[in-house]
Amino acid sequence: QKEVEQNSGPLSVPEGAIASLNCTYSDRGSQSFFWYRQYSGKSPELIMSIYSNGDKEDGRFTAQLNKASQYVSLLIRDSQPSDSATYLCAVNKNTDKLIFGTGTRLQVFP
Amino acid sequence: DGGITQSPKYLFRKEGQNVTLSCEQNLNHDAMYWYRQDPGQGLRLIYYSQIVNDFQKGDIAEGYSVSREKKESFPLTVTSAQKNPTAFYLCASSIGQALVRTNEKLFFGSGTQLSVL
Repeated sequence: QKEVEQNSGPLSVPEGAIASLNCTYSDRGSQSFFWYRQYSGKSPELIMSIYSNGDKEDGRFTAQLNKASQYVSLLIRDSQPSDSATYLCAVNKNTDKLIFGTGTRLQVFP
Repeated sequence: DGGITQSPKYLFRKEGQNVTLSCEQNLNHDAMYWYRQDPGQGLRLIYYSQIVNDFQKGDIAEGYSVSREKKESFPLTVTSAQKNPTAFYLCASSIGQALVRTNEKLFFGSGTQLSVL
């Protein structure tokens, strides 16, 4: 079992729809969770961070964390073509480094 | 502007050659990291350093070496022992090492694409 798992996609959604990206992790002791967006050939940029169970909203983005089920998700409302990118889930392990998933490629078509 | 600077953007390595990737940050961050990304893959940790003159191996340290002589600099050397070095290399830094408090986020440089001639 991978430490952080994501569906590689691509996930295709029409413009204006809600995109739902999911991530599961294996270490129950994980404490912090991050979503990064990465455009092709570029470095990752932080979209959201979440530390406690429940939802956290920031503009069109909502991160959801369920520690009991060991999953974290990212919802993107009113998806735009500019949201087309790879979304990386990262989980803090052992408090000194992040473990990244392989990423989910999102395609938003007009 | 504060940030992380990686150089060069593109680097070519000949067989048997060691090459060094530069990473400099002026964010006054204590922790610095090197990740490797292969096409269609996530990021894998090579080395990380939480304080000057100290560093730890990540998950794929074989064939790589690092130094941390200054707080702002964390160069990565890809040695001839690394038989499959072609990848996108990312340097990152964070304020603290624990990454559990709300201000302890990972910031990335723009990356170096290393290819083998």
